[in-house]
Formats: sequence, structure tokens, C-alpha cells
Amino acid sequence: ENVLTQSPGTLSLSPGERATLSCRASQSVSSNYLAWYQQKRGQAPRLLIYGVSTRATGIPDRFSGSGSGTDFTLTISRLEPEDFAVYYCQQYGSSLLTFGGGTKVDLK
Amino acid sequence: EVQLVESGGGLVQPGRSLRLSCAASGFSFDDYAMHWVRQAPGKGLEWVSGITWNSGGIVYGDSVKGRFTISRDNAKNSLYLQMNSLRVEDTAFYYCAKGKDYSYYQAFDMWGQGTMVTVSS
Repeated sequence: ENVLTQSPGTLSLSPGERATLSCRASQSVSSNYLAWYQQKRGQAPRLLIYGVSTRATGIPDRFSGSGSGTDFTLTISRLEPEDFAVYYCQQYGSSLLTFGGGTKVDLK
Repeated sequence: EVQLVESGGGLVQPGRSLRLSCAASGFSFDDYAMHWVRQAPGKGLEWVSGITWNSGGIVYGDSVKGRFTISRDNAKNSLYLQMNSLRVEDTAFYYCAKGKDYSYYQAFDMWGQGTMVTVSS
């Protein structure tokens, strides 16, 4: 099983600031099959990024993904009020799909 | 409107069974792989199981293998999860999620709102 470790657990920031979220895999992620999801309280997750860096439909360009192999990053260039949420990375390159433990971005 | 609606959750005793359903609408259900993902209260996401468009490929997470069975009925645009020998640790919100295409190896571009399963005596 490819274990994904996200850091930090919580990121306390203000609107307008830049958020940098990390996801580290225990094994290389096959074909760069790495996605990021956003989940707000009481809601289902929403796909933000897939294939490491491709934004899903309707996702604003302040969200960007990067990385390769075992180290990946989600960057939110300037936080908007609606961006305060929990973010999960996921690898889908092996038959046992796995999610990271999540990073909560909250209001400083 | 593209939509996934789960049903079948509820309170069940340990050791008993429950069957979840997910009704899909607004897209060609038989063109896409489908998955179940769960989330225990206050915890993160855990992938449970996935099935390819034609049921030719099925995989389970280690925590449910041998107890849960995923299936689909493309004629009814429906996904199912038969859960047997339920344990307290299976208590969670269960989401169905749509893969981005027919392949199992895809991100999930749509999620239902989830159905709660509580396993307790």
C-alpha cells in the first residue's frame, strides 16, 4: 500500500496569503496519478487537481499542483474566504487507492 | 443534472449486514468506473472499493476485503455495496464516487452526498 503523508496537519493563514500544502508518498506514484480534493464542513469532497497539475473543471487558477515521484505540492496563490477547508491528496496509480490524512487550512 | 444519490444507511448491530445503493443520473453511467469511499466521524477519507465500467475489474481495501462486495447494474444506473459481518469500526459516512473515465485508475470527479452507517449494539 502506498501511504500518503500530508503536512502540515493544520495551516493557519489569512485571506490573501499563499498556502503551500505537502503530500509525500511512501512509494513513487505511478504515472503521476496524484489528485487533490477540497472538503468543506458537512459537504462531500470536490476534485481540484488530477494528474499532479491539471485543474478539474471550474477550478480557479489560484489552485495549482506540482511535484513528481514521491513529493507533491498543492499551492493556493491567494486565499479567498471560501478556500478555508480540509484538503486531501490521493494516489490512484496502484490498485489499492489511498488518501492522505488531510491538511486543514483555517483562519488565522 | 449530473447526480449521485446514496441510500441504505442506518443503525445496525455488529455482525449484521447492510446494503448501500447509489443512483446515478445525468451521465452515461456505463461509461465510467465507480468507487465507494468512507469517512468516519471527524476523520479523513478512506477508499473502500472500486469497480470498472463493465464489472471486469473489482478491488477492495484491506479493511473490508472478504466482508464487503461491490457491484453495479448498468441497466439501472446503480452502484451497490453489500456489507456483511459489520464491525463498530465500519461506522462512517459512505460516499459513492465517479471515476473520470472507464478506467479504474482515475481521479474521482463527482461524489454523492453520502449515507451514514452506524454499527453499534
